[in-house]
Amino acid sequence: LAKTTQPISMDSYEGQEVNITCSHNNIATNDYITWYQQFPSQGPRFIIQGYKTKVTNEVASLFIPADRKSSTLSLPRVSLSDTAVYYCLVGVSNSGYALNFGKGTSLLVTP
Amino acid sequence: GAGVSQTPSNKVTEKGKYVELRCDPISGHTALYWYRQSLGQGPEFLIYFQGTGAADDSGLPNDRFFAVRPEGSVSTLKIQRTERGDSAVYLCASSSGTSAYNEQFFGPGTRLTVL
Repeated sequence: LAKTTQPISMDSYEGQEVNITCSHNNIATNDYITWYQQFPSQGPRFIIQGYKTKVTNEVASLFIPADRKSSTLSLPRVSLSDTAVYYCLVGVSNSGYALNFGKGTSLLVTP
Repeated sequence: GAGVSQTPSNKVTEKGKYVELRCDPISGHTALYWYRQSLGQGPEFLIYFQGTGAADDSGLPNDRFFAVRPEGSVSTLKIQRTERGDSAVYLCASSSGTSAYNEQFFGPGTRLTVL
């Protein structure tokens, strides 16, 4: 499993764009990058996944540079309800079945 | 449609007791995962089922932990001789694929407190 590094916490105001960057220097050729979101007292929820360049869905965008050693989750115009922990996951275990969530980034959105 | 459900939502037990935690996955999902989440930490993988069989149990911390999925649907996580260090939120997730990359749908978790 690739080691990931992401900020422990971030603060933002409502309506701003939030970018959370995750470093994963030892990403392997076959590794995908996946982001999950977790609200308090709930299980994580899948947000987005990508391999290279840019992926966009109705919730977020994921930017992956050519060397793939980092990735940035972009949340456009955040609202208070985007306050959550965001996990960057890279690769899977050798068995192919386990994800490594790490500690994630705790995002606090205030008015 | 119905998501992943877990029962009970909260479980308080005494050290040394036996507990069972239940997970009802999304209907038709063949893959089922158990995770454990301690306060301030991300979910930690415990075990993965594909159908009825445990394809990867490498995350189980010791032999006090055991999980079953006899009919390929509902799963039960069993913890024997509970210890205070077992206190955590136990999460279950299911997915329709065979890879951890397939979107995993999580339940709300069972908060286990061992006194």
